[in-house]
Amino acid sequence: NAGVTQTPKFQVLKTGQSMTLQCAQDMNHEYMSWYRQDPGMGLRLIHYSVGAGITDQGEVPNGYNVSRSTTEDFPLRLLSAAPSQTSVYFCASSYFPSGGPGAGELFFGEGSRLTVL
Amino acid sequence: GENVEQHPSTLSVQEGDSAVIKCTYSDSASNYFPWYKQELGKRPQLIIDIRSNVGEKKDQRIAVTLNKTAKHFSLHITETQPEDSAVYFCAASISQTGANNLFFGTGTRLTVIP
Repeated sequence: NAGVTQTPKFQVLKTGQSMTLQCAQDMNHEYMSWYRQDPGMGLRLIHYSVGAGITDQGEVPNGYNVSRSTTEDFPLRLLSAAPSQTSVYFCASSYFPSGGPGAGELFFGEGSRLTVL
Repeated sequence: GENVEQHPSTLSVQEGDSAVIKCTYSDSASNYFPWYKQELGKRPQLIIDIRSNVGEKKDQRIAVTLNKTAKHFSLHITETQPEDSAVYFCAASISQTGANNLFFGTGTRLTVIP
């Protein structure tokens, strides 16, 4: 059971280049999301999905696209990279337990460190 | 949207002492409050969580309390050990329609001095 797998772990881009961060989970979770982590700012939600074919914007969606064609995969695309997108990106997935309010644990991938020059 | 504030940003304690980290949230509809521990260069990992229908939860040396009226929740670590040194994040979620969108605090760097 691999959990949440992200690739690549490290990437350097030039301003204006595009790329895709891959994310896959093998826990059959319907909910998946992408966060970015910047020093002193915690983690901020970029996009999320509640199931195949359904995506929505989070707090900081500008400059990013997502799609969800299968339950397992949730790629994040940077359309035209900017230095402001230099960050560590985390993919995460979650289940919803029965009984009681609220969701279950949010499981994170190992992260992808992106540098835009 | 939800706004989560976390204090202090850094905390140093002697080994064996207790550590307390406090968070406030803005949206009374939030119903799930997890705490994550992140070691340097690693992914955030859940250490404890609490739901809006519970006021307190304990797991060995870690406890969390929730005051819905005041909209704040706290993490308590007793008998701290050097391996507790890490960055801790609180978060709040308005769980709805299958979404678990967490809003995170800005983190507390805990250092346990041997």
